[in-house]
Amino acid sequence: GNSVTQMEGPVTLSEEAFLTINCTYTATGYPSLFWYVQYPGEGLQLLLKATKADDKGSNKGFEATYRKETTSFHLEKGSVQVSDSAVYFCALRETSGSRLTFGEGTQLTVNP
Amino acid sequence: KAGVTQTPRYLIKTRGQQVTLSCSPISGHRSVSWYQQTPGQGLQFLFEYFSETQRNKGNFPGRFSGRQFSNSRSEMNVSTLELGDSALYLCASSFYSPQSSYNEQFFGPGTRLTVL
Repeated sequence: GNSVTQMEGPVTLSEEAFLTINCTYTATGYPSLFWYVQYPGEGLQLLLKATKADDKGSNKGFEATYRKETTSFHLEKGSVQVSDSAVYFCALRETSGSRLTFGEGTQLTVNP
Repeated sequence: KAGVTQTPRYLIKTRGQQVTLSCSPISGHRSVSWYQQTPGQGLQFLFEYFSETQRNKGNFPGRFSGRQFSNSRSEMNVSTLELGDSALYLCASSFYSPQSSYNEQFFGPGTRLTVL
């Protein structure tokens, strides 16, 4: 079956540091890939997406590239802010349907 | 445009009871999915409804059930509650179109269920 593996957290960074959160997946076919963010007490918000190989998703300074050869979708940001502190989830969606398979989530804390 | 709303936001029940959670999707969205979020198991897919029909179901026992109404609002029910059912239950809606390969899902804030 499909699965998503994220780097273990938590991750603690200083403001303006570079962020990488690793994500690899196992899936049949050609899934779509997503990063969601969850702030305390809230639901999930879509951060960025990529629907085919070599696509780069980007939003709010975050980027991730769909790498089919390495089955990866790593999240990066060049300079994090305190307001980026949240839990980040990597997810895939099968070729058909709406079902999302999520990774374990990575807690990010950014200190001033 | 109003987002996905879930009611109630918090719920406390005791073992053996049953509970019903409600989800109102974004206007015009006909697909509703439910997820369970726990610290141990993470985010797990429960089921998806489209046009009042269950399209997909996750690996949960039969105590977990759901339905969707003609106005696309959805409810999920958990019977004979167990301590392990304590979780955040998230609902997501999307404007499903067979012609589109991608239909973004929008999540509600969730219902926090505590089973004592």
